[in-house]
Amino acid sequence: AQSVTQLGSHVSVSEGALVLLRCNYSSSVPPYLFWYVQYPNQGLQLLLKYTSAATLVKGINGFEAEFKKSETSFHLTKPSAHMSDAAEYFCAVTSSGGGADGLTFGKGTHLIIQP
Amino acid sequence: NAGVTQTPKFRILKIGQSMTLQCAQDMNHNYMYWYRQDPGMGLKLIYYSVGAGITDKGEVPNGYNVSRSTTEDFPLRLELAAPSQTSVYFCASNPDRTGELFFGEGSRLTVL
Repeated sequence: AQSVTQLGSHVSVSEGALVLLRCNYSSSVPPYLFWYVQYPNQGLQLLLKYTSAATLVKGINGFEAEFKKSETSFHLTKPSAHMSDAAEYFCAVTSSGGGADGLTFGKGTHLIIQP
Repeated sequence: NAGVTQTPKFRILKIGQSMTLQCAQDMNHNYMYWYRQDPGMGLKLIYYSVGAGITDKGEVPNGYNVSRSTTEDFPLRLELAAPSQTSVYFCASNPDRTGELFFGEGSRLTVL
C-alpha cells in the first residue's frame, strides 16, 4: 500500500520569500511522485513529476522538487513566492510498476502569500 | 482541445434522489477515474476504468456506480443520494499507467 503525508495543512509566506511544501511518502515499490496545484474552483494541474530519472525535477511556474530516497521525501520549493502562487497543492504517489488504479493523494497544503 | 469535460458543474439533490455525473474525454485515453474531494481530506478514488467495458472499485465506492461503454465516456451514477455524498467530484484520465492524470473542472454536488 502507498501513502502520502503532507506536513502542514496551511503554509503562509511573504511575497518574495522561499516556498517550501513538505511531502513524505510510503511505498513498498519504487514510486512515481507528483505535485499538483489547484486554483479556486478549478481542477488539478500537474506541476511536476518524478519517474526515476533525475532526482531534482523542475516544473512549471518556477517550482522544483527533489526526490530523496533515504528520507522518503519529495518536498516542493520555489525560491521567490508570487501572489499568483496562492493555491492548494497536492502531493501524490503511484507505483512505478504501473499505477492503473490512479494516484494516492495527500490531504493538501493551502499556500497563502502575504503581501 | 477540450480535454476532460464534466457536467453538470453544480447540482443540488434531495435525500433519496438519483443522478448521473457525466464525464467525457477527447484524448483517446484508456484509463479514467472518478475522485471525490472533501475539505482537508485530499482526493479519494471512487471508481476507475482501464478501458471500455472494464471498471473497478477504488477506495470509497459505496453508494456509487459506473459504466464504461466507450473509450470517451465514464459516467458516475449516484443512487439514493445521502448528505455524506455532498462533495466535489473530479473525473480524470490517463494515457498510460505512469500516473499523470488530466482532470476535469469538477462537479459540485450538494445533498440536502
